[in-house]
Amino acid sequence: AQKITQTQPGMFVQEKEAVTLDCTYDTSDPSYGLFWYKQPSSGEMIFLIYQGSYDQQNATEGRYSLNFQKARKSANLVISASQLGDSAMYFCAMSQGAGRRALTFGSGTRLQVQP
Amino acid sequence: ETGVTQSPTHLIKTRGQQVTLRCSSQSGHNTVSWYQQALGQGPQFIFQYYREEENGRGNFPPRFSGLQFPNYSSELNVNALELDDSALYLCASSPRMSGANVLTFGAGSRLTVL
Repeated sequence: AQKITQTQPGMFVQEKEAVTLDCTYDTSDPSYGLFWYKQPSSGEMIFLIYQGSYDQQNATEGRYSLNFQKARKSANLVISASQLGDSAMYFCAMSQGAGRRALTFGSGTRLQVQP
Repeated sequence: ETGVTQSPTHLIKTRGQQVTLRCSSQSGHNTVSWYQQALGQGPQFIFQYYREEENGRGNFPPRFSGLQFPNYSSELNVNALELDDSALYLCASSPRMSGANVLTFGAGSRLTVL
């Protein structure tokens, strides 16, 4: 069975600094996808970044990058130059198998950016 | 393009009642998924609809049911409500059924069961 683990319930970072949010996953399927979503207090889940299991390079999207270490089964999110608007819950998620119909989410990390 | 819209945003029901939540998918998206997010937890997959048929289901009992309409909008129905059904219900749409399957989520319907 697939599983996502986020071990940091909460993180603090100073504005303009970089922060890494940890995510480890467990799956026996060689084909899977890894996602990070941001959930502000409004409730809407906002897609940030995607990494496929066969992608050779780490994914990047603006200030977001995904540090993909396949052998360690980790997919950490790095946010560079943190902004006050980055304060939110962050969820790591995985899809796997034929069709990849469902996302399995971790328990999330609450990030607070301090001025 | 419009995103995913859900209604109602908040509702309160009593145990044993039935509830219907509605979702309009993003333009161009033909697949709709529903997730339940209990307080302080990550979302859990309920089911997915593609071409008006259920196409994948999570570990939820049959009293959770859904519909997808020809315009790709969707409903989530929950019968015989229990206290543990109190949660944020998120609808998500995607442009295709497989592959990267990046989901676009709505803001959710917050259900409180008393």
